[in-house]
Amino acid sequence: AQTVTQSQPEMSVQEAETVTLSCTYDTSESDYYLFWYKQPPSRQMILVIRQEAYKQQNATENRFSVNFQKAAKSFSLKISDSQLGDAAMYFCAYRDPRGGSEKLVFGKGTKLTVNP
Amino acid sequence: SAVISQKPSRDICQRGTSLTIQCQVDSQVTMMFWYRQQPGQSLTLIATANQGSEATYESGFVIDKFPISRPNLTFSTLTVSNMSPEDSSIYLCSVIRGRIADTQYFGPGTRLTVL
Repeated sequence: AQTVTQSQPEMSVQEAETVTLSCTYDTSESDYYLFWYKQPPSRQMILVIRQEAYKQQNATENRFSVNFQKAAKSFSLKISDSQLGDAAMYFCAYRDPRGGSEKLVFGKGTKLTVNP
Repeated sequence: SAVISQKPSRDICQRGTSLTIQCQVDSQVTMMFWYRQQPGQSLTLIATANQGSEATYESGFVIDKFPISRPNLTFSTLTVSNMSPEDSSIYLCSVIRGRIADTQYFGPGTRLTVL
């Protein structure tokens, strides 16, 4: 079974600085999708960024970018110019599209604190 | 993305009772799902809500405990039956709007406390 590991239960960053959240996963598949979701205290799950495994180029969305290392099965999220509104739980998620399954497997999450 | 609403947003229930949670989307979606997030934990998929047929449950979840309906392409309900304190969680619905390989978008969640 696929597993997703986030080894950092908590992280903190100073406002305007850069922080990297780690995620590793285990799979024997070659084609899959990876996601980072953000969950602020309001508990709404918000998509931050998405990466298709067949794409070698790392995904980028404004201040958010990923470092996707397929061979190492690593998918880290970099947040640049951190803002107070970035404070939230961040979940890494994996999806294996085999057989039409759209199941997301989530890591345990990293709580990010942004200090003013 | 999709505009997703859930009702109720939160509830406090007594042991042994049942609660039905509604998920409404602003337009037709391809797929709908129900997840559970236990306190301080990550999300776990309960089931895929299939339009016009029985839901597809993940290992560890059964229809008698979590009956699901999806009468059309924009609406689904999840019932938590015969509740116990262990059912205290956030329940979230999610949807895929377009093609199957699209991104899942989540509703705001329902926070359930069972006394």
